[in-house]
Amino acid sequence: QVQLQESGPGLVKPSQTLSLTCTVSGGSISSGSYYWSWIRQPAGKGLEWIGRIYTSGSTNYNPSLKSRVTISVDTSKNQFSLKLSSVTAADTAVYYCARGVVPAAWDYWGQGTLVTVSS
Amino acid sequence: EIVLTQSPGTLSLSPGERATLSCRASQSVSSSYLAWYQQKPGQAPRLLIYGASSRATGIPDRFSGSGSGTDFTLTISRLEPEDFAVYYCQQYGSSPRMYTFGQGTKLEIK
Repeated sequence: QVQLQESGPGLVKPSQTLSLTCTVSGGSISSGSYYWSWIRQPAGKGLEWIGRIYTSGSTNYNPSLKSRVTISVDTSKNQFSLKLSSVTAADTAVYYCARGVVPAAWDYWGQGTLVTVSS
Repeated sequence: EIVLTQSPGTLSLSPGERATLSCRASQSVSSSYLAWYQQKPGQAPRLLIYGASSRATGIPDRFSGSGSGTDFTLTISRLEPEDFAVYYCQQYGSSPRMYTFGQGTKLEIK
C-alpha cells in the first residue's frame, strides 16, 4: 500500500520560502507511469493545484504560481519536494502531496500539513 | 484556463435518496481528463471517479459518473450516512497544461 507523508515547518515568515518534502513509502517513486504533485487548500476553501513532477525531472506548474514554485525529486530517498518563495498570508493553507495516475487523477494522497504564513 | 462550476453549492438529502451533482466546464474537456473526489472534514480528498465514468479502486458501485464535453455528473444512487461530505470535480487541460478544480458541492444530511 502506497503511503505519502508531508513534512516541513508549520510556520513560515512573510517573504520567506516555504519548503516541504513528501516521503513515499510502500513502493518506489520511480516505478510505474506516475507523476507526483502538490495541491493546497486554504481553510474552508477549495483545492488548488500547485505543480507536478515526473521522476525524469520534467515539471509543470500552475501558471499563477509558476514564478515562485520549484518542485524537485530525489529518487534515492523516495521523496519529492516543494519550494514556494516570497510567501504571503495568502499562501497559508493545508498542503497535500499526491500521486498522479494517467490520464489525469490523483489516487494516493498524503494526510496534509498546515503551513501558516505569519510573522 | 478552464473553469469548472459545480452545482448546487449545497445539497440537502436524506439517507437512501439519490444525489445528482453537476460539474460544468467553461470549455470542452476531454472525458479522459475529468475526475471526481470526495472530501470529509480533516481528511485528504479521495478519488472516486476518473476518466469521467470509471470508478477508482474500492469505490462502491452506488457512485457513478457520466457526461462529456462541458457537462459532467456524479450520481450517488442511494445515499449512505458516510456519503455526506464535500465533492469536487477536477480536470486537466493541455493549454495551458494545468489542473483545475470546481469549487465543490457540500452534500449534507437533511
